[in-house]
Amino acid sequence: EVQLVQSGAEVKKPGESLKISCKGSGYSFTSYWIGWVRQMPGKGLEWMGIIYPGDSDTRYSPSFQGQVTISADKSISTAYLQWSSLKASDTAMYYCARRELHGMDVWGQGTTVTVSS
Amino acid sequence: QSVLTQPPSASGTPGQRVTISCSGSSSNIGSNYVYWYQQLPGTAPKLLIYRNNQRPSGVPDRFSGSKSGTSASLAISGLRSEDEADYYCAAWDDSLSGSEVFGGGTKLTVL
Repeated sequence: EVQLVQSGAEVKKPGESLKISCKGSGYSFTSYWIGWVRQMPGKGLEWMGIIYPGDSDTRYSPSFQGQVTISADKSISTAYLQWSSLKASDTAMYYCARRELHGMDVWGQGTTVTVSS
Repeated sequence: QSVLTQPPSASGTPGQRVTISCSGSSSNIGSNYVYWYQQLPGTAPKLLIYRNNQRPSGVPDRFSGSKSGTSASLAISGLRSEDEADYYCAAWDDSLSGSEVFGGGTKLTVL
């Protein structure tokens, strides 16, 4: 079964760093892009960026460029989304999804990030 | 403000046909494929339509997509209560450094 399993919910303080993960299984992890999508509480979906684990080619939405870092470790079929200094406005649900020619066809279950002092 | 514009809400009664619009520009919908995603309450989004009008396996043929110029539409016929969800359009945008954009989403209520 093709699936993406994300790391668990996080509660952090402003200024702290964080790295959340997305582990793929059931397919060739290095052959498909992995995208990250933010959903703030009660709001819509926002495309953050995408990585190709095969060669780590990474693209960012201009809205998120410089705010987050997307990476991948193909040896363990895992993609990451990280922050160096969290803000309260980073509080959201974050989804990873496999992006292939036909769209984002497989989604992770989501990781809730809460940033509060 | 989303790059792709959708109505915030839509509604219909069981059995009806409803359409949800998605308006963009020449740099996104006008020159790239449109995708539609369904997000049921409390769940991750699900791919509903790809390449403007194609359905992944398992998606009922009650769902259909179309595109014309810089606009696209999602139609749902034979509306059912389980169709109550948020619907998002998406497309690559050539003016945004090779990134994809979502519409603001449309909340569909089945009355």
